[in-house]
Amino acid sequence: GESVGLHLPTLSVQEGDNSIINCAYSNSASDYFIWYKQESGKGPQFIIDIRSNMDKRQGQRVTVLLNKTVKHLSLQIAATQPGDSAVYFCAENPRGGADGLTFGKGTHLIIQP
Amino acid sequence: DAGVTQSPTHLIKTRGQQVTLRCSPKSGHDTVSWYQQALGQGPQFIFQYYEEEERQRGNFPDRFSGHQFPNYSSELNVNALLLGDSALYLCASSRYRRDNEQFFGPGTRLTVL
Repeated sequence: GESVGLHLPTLSVQEGDNSIINCAYSNSASDYFIWYKQESGKGPQFIIDIRSNMDKRQGQRVTVLLNKTVKHLSLQIAATQPGDSAVYFCAENPRGGADGLTFGKGTHLIIQP
Repeated sequence: DAGVTQSPTHLIKTRGQQVTLRCSPKSGHDTVSWYQQALGQGPQFIFQYYEEEERQRGNFPDRFSGHQFPNYSSELNVNALLLGDSALYLCASSRYRRDNEQFFGPGTRLTVL
């Protein structure tokens, strides 16, 4: 089976609210985790990453949280905007760096006006 | 600064045929990774090329082969096409073992009839 997966296939939120997208992983040896955003007809776009020696990392309007105890990853998007509508994937790399990534199935984020 | 480019954008083949997809990495990148993304799924790692050699391979049969050229561009070849090979094929580039982030191209949509 896949070592990375997401809890929900679809998440619907109101514009302006905060969004939280969750991800579970099974490979405890994974050293590096990434969140990608994929809009329709485009390739995945890097959002934010985190190494296993960190618990939290913040970017512009996004925060990634890593809980190694329960092997859980989450992406928080503040003040969700219509442009945030996309499919979000978490990915992991056991060896860190730009090796082959293992992706989950994705969560489709839908923004309600 | 050109990003990752892929050609063609769309391709239709029949079962048993062979196909070649092409990728040019982002300027300054020397490593190319290929992924297969079935509809509604996350990308799956096929293989990675650096210094014109396959450095890492995912769980794909040897019908999938590749090549990297001295200018770092890459080709993905698939022989004896099956209906199940229909997917979006993504190319990602990076700097070998120096960067964490992989930059993805827009993909080639392959349909096998």
